[in-house]
Amino acid sequence: SQQGEEDPQALSIQEGENATMNCSYKTSINNLQWYRQNSGRGLVHLILIRSNEREKHSGRLRVTLDTSKKSSSLLITASRAADTASYFCATKDAGNMLTFGGGTRLMVKP
Amino acid sequence: NAGVTQTPKFRVLKTGQSMTLLCAQDMNHEYMYWYRQDPGMGLRLIHYSVGEGTTAKGEVPDGYNVSRLKKQNFLLGLESAAPSQTSVYFCASVIGSSGANVLTFGAGSRLTVL
Repeated sequence: SQQGEEDPQALSIQEGENATMNCSYKTSINNLQWYRQNSGRGLVHLILIRSNEREKHSGRLRVTLDTSKKSSSLLITASRAADTASYFCATKDAGNMLTFGGGTRLMVKP
Repeated sequence: NAGVTQTPKFRVLKTGQSMTLLCAQDMNHEYMYWYRQDPGMGLRLIHYSVGEGTTAKGEVPDGYNVSRLKKQNFLLGLESAAPSQTSVYFCASVIGSSGANVLTFGAGSRLTVL
């Protein structure tokens, strides 16, 4: 079973708009990570937020984490056509495994 | 520094055939993972290894075997391929027990079983 579930499954926006994706998970985590996957390629790490952090920024990315609700959100501001990709959240527990959600497919129209 | 390299990139098998996917990393990472990705399912962990000579089962290990004879290589084997194993396979590695587990992924291997 998957630990993380992204919402929405697909998102289509215009260039310049903000994109928000949400991730819910089921059990206690050590950290939560977001990855990006361009079509036909491997996943690339974007940002990591630890369980004792509530918000983190990296360039146009903003991630929040609410451990009481077991949820996280990824905000991409001022989106560009090049942001078109699938985005996955992944959770790490106390062990050695990283568990991925089903992903959000983002399309940014020029 | 090539990162994580997977071979082959594409393969078509007939039901019952066997094959091995090779993952090689040149970053001296301790931990290596094999995932499969199916449409709408995200990535599911097949097997992983926390060091040379060690392997462990992930979420969906049935029908697969793995070996980690050398630190830089992690092999995924299919002894008798089935159509349900048609998927894109990704290998990933991480430096070790640093606590973060940020993965570096290969480009993927697309397998079709007829």
